[in-house]
Amino acid sequence: KAGVTQTPRYLIKTRGQQVTLSCSPISGHRSVSWYQQTPGQGLQFLFEYFSETQRNKGNFPGRFSGRQFSNSRSEMNVSTLELGDSALYLCASSLGLAGVNIQYFGAGTRLSVL
Amino acid sequence: QKEVEQNSGPLSVPEGAIASLNCTYSDRGSQSFFWYRQYSGKSPELIMFIYSNGDKEDGRFTAQLNKASQYVSLLIRDSQPSDSATYLCAVSNTGNQFYFGTGTSLTVIP
Repeated sequence: KAGVTQTPRYLIKTRGQQVTLSCSPISGHRSVSWYQQTPGQGLQFLFEYFSETQRNKGNFPGRFSGRQFSNSRSEMNVSTLELGDSALYLCASSLGLAGVNIQYFGAGTRLSVL
Repeated sequence: QKEVEQNSGPLSVPEGAIASLNCTYSDRGSQSFFWYRQYSGKSPELIMFIYSNGDKEDGRFTAQLNKASQYVSLLIRDSQPSDSATYLCAVSNTGNQFYFGTGTSLTVIP
């Protein structure tokens, strides 16, 4: 069974640009969550999508947005990039149903903003 | 107050010793509790989860949960150098919202 796939693995952008990251969940998983990880802040929750709807949202500015497609694949977009957006972006998939939901992480996309 | 708190460490233990990692959480409505291991430059991988009070054992790992004290711990017996990593504690609520601690860095000294 394939794991969570994130593309691209590495990105270098300049300030002011925008970027789109992609995440394909484990087959059968309907929930995709996105996290930002930086050395000082740890894993910060961005948002969660379930069945194409944003179900939970963290405390990030509106420059961070996402969407989920009918096949559960998800994309995250960051507009008007800032230096502070440099981080490892992780997505995690889970069944998303009631009960114990285990999140499985992809390898991440490392974004560098110059 | 952060939802999940962990000692950042670093925690150093000699090879073969027991490593004890601790985590507290603030939301009494939290239902499921997870321990992830993250090697440098890699993504988190699940070690264990627990949702009932008490102990849960899996090989060299034991997770302990005390909901009254809002406390979760992870014990690693017979620690190996390959256990050297950052350990993340995570809790989730009924809405599938996950909260992660900032992690405890563990070094096992050969």
